[in-house]
Amino acid sequence: DIVMTQSPLSLPVTPGEPASISCRSSQSLLHTNRYNYLDWYLQKPGQSPQLLIYLGSSRASGVPDRFSGSGSGTDFTLRISRVEAEDVGVYYCMQTLQTPLTFGGGTKVEVK
Amino acid sequence: EVQLVESGGGLVQPGGSLRLSCAASGFTFSNYWMHWVRQAPGKGLVWVSRINSDGSSTSYADSVRGRFTISRDNAKNTLYMQMNSLRAEDTAVFYCAREGDYGDFPLDFWGRGTLVTVSS
Repeated sequence: DIVMTQSPLSLPVTPGEPASISCRSSQSLLHTNRYNYLDWYLQKPGQSPQLLIYLGSSRASGVPDRFSGSGSGTDFTLRISRVEAEDVGVYYCMQTLQTPLTFGGGTKVEVK
Repeated sequence: EVQLVESGGGLVQPGGSLRLSCAASGFTFSNYWMHWVRQAPGKGLVWVSRINSDGSSTSYADSVRGRFTISRDNAKNTLYMQMNSLRAEDTAVFYCAREGDYGDFPLDFWGRGTLVTVSS
């Protein structure tokens, strides 16, 4: 199974400031089609997860452009250019390259 | 509007069975692969199972293989998870999710989940 490791575990943020989350996979997520099979999700308090980023860097429909994804192979980063209060919650990366699909352990983003 | 509504959760004794349902609307259910993902209380997300669009192909996590069975009824726009031989460690919120038919096939819509509690 592909192991996904996120850091940090917790991320206190100041509204208006940038934030970044790291995700590493135990093997390359680069598909033969040259795309990375890595997604990012946000689970807001009391809600179900919502898709933010797919293919490592493509924003899902309706996702604000302050969210961006980057990286390739085994190292990926989710960046929030200017954190807003509504961005608090737990962020998860997930690989879809092979089953079982696997998630990172999550990064809890909270306002300072 | 895409909607996924899970039901069927509840309290069950260890060794017991439960069948979860996920009613889909707002899209052509028969065209999409579907997944179950679970989340133990206070813990992270764990993928459980996947089924293709016509129900002919399924995949499972090792932790549930042989105990859980995913299925679907495209005429009723409903996804199911039959859970047998339940254990305390199966206690979780179970989410159904749609697999997008683009990109890396992300889970692009999720239900609100249904809570399964396995306890005596």
